[in-house]
Amino acid sequence: AQSVSQHNHHVILSEAASLELGCNYSYGGTVNLFWYVQYPGQHLQLLLKYFSGDPLVKGIKGFEAEFIKSKFSFNLRKPSVQWSDTAEYFCAVSNAGKSTFGDGTTLTVKP
Amino acid sequence: ETGVTQSPTHLIKTRGQQVTLRCSSQSGHNTVSWYQQALGQGPQFIFQYYREEENGRGNFPPRFSGLQFPNYSSELNVNALELDDSALYLCASSPEGGTEGGYTFGSGTRLTVV
Repeated sequence: AQSVSQHNHHVILSEAASLELGCNYSYGGTVNLFWYVQYPGQHLQLLLKYFSGDPLVKGIKGFEAEFIKSKFSFNLRKPSVQWSDTAEYFCAVSNAGKSTFGDGTTLTVKP
Repeated sequence: ETGVTQSPTHLIKTRGQQVTLRCSSQSGHNTVSWYQQALGQGPQFIFQYYREEENGRGNFPPRFSGLQFPNYSSELNVNALELDDSALYLCASSPEGGTEGGYTFGSGTRLTVV
């Protein structure tokens, strides 16, 4: 069975700080990897995705993630966060039509 | 392009009752997946419907059942409601039975069982 672990439950940063949110998954086969974001009062939205090719993927709003196969990791990064990045972030792994989500990381950015 | 719409947005039911939640998929998407999200947790996969057939199921009991209609809209039915069924129920659509491109999520139905 596949599982996803997000290391940080709540991260608090000041504006312009750099962000890295950890995500590790367990699954031995080929997977597709995703980060979703849920802004306050809004529904879950796809931030970025990886299925093959360049392990460094870029998403919306300046976010990027790096797939490191040997570490089963897919960490999310942003060089300089903004107050508007305050949201909950979910990592997910997909295989055979089913996605497994982590429990999410709440990011609070202080102005 | 329209997104995923779910109804109702909130619902309160009594233990033992039955509930039906509804979802209209995004235009062009023929696959609908349902997720349960308990407070403080990530979404948990209930099942997926593709071309009106169940196409995968998570670890949920048979009292969780669903339907998909020819227009790709879907229903989630839960019988014999238990207090632990209280959660946010999310509908997500995707094209052609796959999830490689990611989901488009609805805003969810908040179910409270008392």
